[in-house]
Amino acid sequence: ILNVEQSPQSLHVQEGDSTNFTCSFPSSNFYALHWYRWETAKSPEALFVMTLNGDEKKKGRISATLNTKEGYSYLYIKGSQPEDSATYLCASPTNAGKSTFGDGTTLTVKP
Amino acid sequence: GAVVSQHPSRVICKSGTSVKIECRSLDFQATTMFWYRQFPKQSLMLMATSNEGSKATYEQGVEKDKFLINHASLTLSTLTVTSAHPEDSSFYICSAKLAGGPGEQFFGPGTRLTVL
Repeated sequence: ILNVEQSPQSLHVQEGDSTNFTCSFPSSNFYALHWYRWETAKSPEALFVMTLNGDEKKKGRISATLNTKEGYSYLYIKGSQPEDSATYLCASPTNAGKSTFGDGTTLTVKP
Repeated sequence: GAVVSQHPSRVICKSGTSVKIECRSLDFQATTMFWYRQFPKQSLMLMATSNEGSKATYEQGVEKDKFLINHASLTLSTLTVTSAHPEDSSFYICSAKLAGGPGEQFFGPGTRLTVL
């Protein structure tokens, strides 16, 4: 994998459903993996900064896992709510701080 | 958390004019800021790294004479799109990073540029 790739591109779920999406990144020269949430008309906001293989992080109903050896991270949302509707971006930064972003997964949660 | 502002949020200009976009870190000092461009339905594409007190580092394929970056203070970076043309119409967004480490970037709200 040469670039950061995210799937699916978009997702529509009902309120209360749990969902997950994937970020794939180059496993060589891994430094860190960032997840951001980008709501419409707002700035992207960081959700998680992940650095260690096997890392699992949680913030409320949202959690993420990291596998640096195979180059993927999963983001899980448990019991989705309409306010979770946003585009979720992952990014692979270098140690100089330059980040390569995936195209994002746009989540729509229907009431 | 660290706050980054960006101004203007939206600008419409005529072809051939220059447009300046400001990116400010409001509650922290940012020695490094980043400028991104986003095309419709595509990812954030890094244009350049803005370094306080020195020249910006541009990514391959980004014209430095077209996209002038100035980072004159620890809280302000500006991007000037010179002699803008319709193909420069895009969404431009800046970010800043707290010094050192694998930490996240803090983003401005972005600027929608439309060149007529």
